[in-house]
Amino acid sequence: AQSVTQPDIHITVSEGASLELRCNYSYGATPYLFWYVQSPGQGLQLLLKYFSGDTLVQGIKGFEAEFKRSQSSFNLRKPSVHWSDAAEYFCAVGHTGGFKTIFGAGTRLFVKA
Amino acid sequence: DAGVIQSPRHEVTEMGQEVTLRCKPISGHNSLFWYRQTMMRGLELLIYFNNNVPIDDSGMPEDRFSAKMPNASFSTLKIQPSEPRDSAVYFCASSSPGVGVGTDTQYFGPGTRLTVL
Repeated sequence: AQSVTQPDIHITVSEGASLELRCNYSYGATPYLFWYVQSPGQGLQLLLKYFSGDTLVQGIKGFEAEFKRSQSSFNLRKPSVHWSDAAEYFCAVGHTGGFKTIFGAGTRLFVKA
Repeated sequence: DAGVIQSPRHEVTEMGQEVTLRCKPISGHNSLFWYRQTMMRGLELLIYFNNNVPIDDSGMPEDRFSAKMPNASFSTLKIQPSEPRDSAVYFCASSSPGVGVGTDTQYFGPGTRLTVL
């Protein structure tokens, strides 16, 4: 069965520092992978997605993610974090048996001044 | 584009009362999802519809929960009777098929925060 693991429940980084959020998936074929962000009091919003092709994917708000098949990972990165990036981040895998998406447990990002 | 619309945004009710949450998906989207989010259990998929037909309701916790989608532009999630443990934020999301099955992006509404006293 497909699954998504986000090993870090929460992460704290200083404003201006680089960020990497980890995501590991379990799936037998090429997965469809997503990163969503949830700002406080709001619904989830798509940051980026990977289906095929170039393994480095650019998203909104300066985020990027890299698909590494050998490590079953799809880590999210940002070179310089802004205070407004404080939010919860969800990795997700597309379900090829239908329209359902499997979400990870989320990683809450705290940004300190 | 108005996005996914949910109402009410906040609901406070007493145990035993019926609660109805409403969702209007993005026009043209043919899949609709209901999620529940709590601190303890995270984001849980309750049910999803495709072309107004329920496809998978295995996430619906109990018979007290029911969902309908009478047409392409409206869905409801009902809890009857409500209990304190139903307190959560309930999200509705919609999507249209991407380039292949499993590729669709979901667009989430702002959520309904339900408190059952």
